[in-house]
Amino acid sequence: QQQVKQSPQSLIVQKGGISIINCAYENTAFDYFPWYQQFPGKGPALLIAIRPDVSEKKEGRFTISFNKSAKQFSLHIMDSQPGDSATYFCAASIALQANNLFFGTGTRLTVIP
Amino acid sequence: DADVTQTPRNRITKTGKRIMLECSQTKGHDRMYWYRQDPGLGLRLIYYSFDVKDINKGEISDGYSVSRQAQAKFSLSLESAIPNQTALYFCATSDSGGGNGYTFGSGTRLTVV
Repeated sequence: QQQVKQSPQSLIVQKGGISIINCAYENTAFDYFPWYQQFPGKGPALLIAIRPDVSEKKEGRFTISFNKSAKQFSLHIMDSQPGDSATYFCAASIALQANNLFFGTGTRLTVIP
Repeated sequence: DADVTQTPRNRITKTGKRIMLECSQTKGHDRMYWYRQDPGLGLRLIYYSFDVKDINKGEISDGYSVSRQAQAKFSLSLESAIPNQTALYFCATSDSGGGNGYTFGSGTRLTVV
């Protein structure tokens, strides 16, 4: 059973466009929602994270939007660049436990020049 | 040097063979994890350890075992490899709070023939 559902599986965006990746969860005990970015041949790296006490968090061109009532969160990449081409994973955990990050299935983003 | 080093980077082994994947970290973190990545399935937790004397099963531990030799070293063993264990394996570490994210190694690509 997938604890965190992620869509789309793949995404192609023109340079300068907005990339949007969506995730949904069921476990209301989750209180930490990170996004990881993975380049080919590398391990995932933490990109940005949010806790449910805020509805949005922005770091540069990357923004997480969080809807607690809908149990959904999304990653927006503004002004997408070819260097953003990577696989993106959303995840969720119970922060105090932090013994397991439940990952989404990943989205392969390709930004076309 | 990388914060989390995995060896080997690639390995091809035969069905029924025992194989060990090694992980070492220089982050000084207490917590270490082994994940498996499969296309379309994201990352799934195999085992985790919160300190040298603490070993816990993750969601897909069957067919695997681990050893925490020191704070900085955490190895994963496949006692009798089978083809459906062909996957990309990642080691990760985190601090005790977990909220600062996980640091992943670059992965070991394992093929069981």
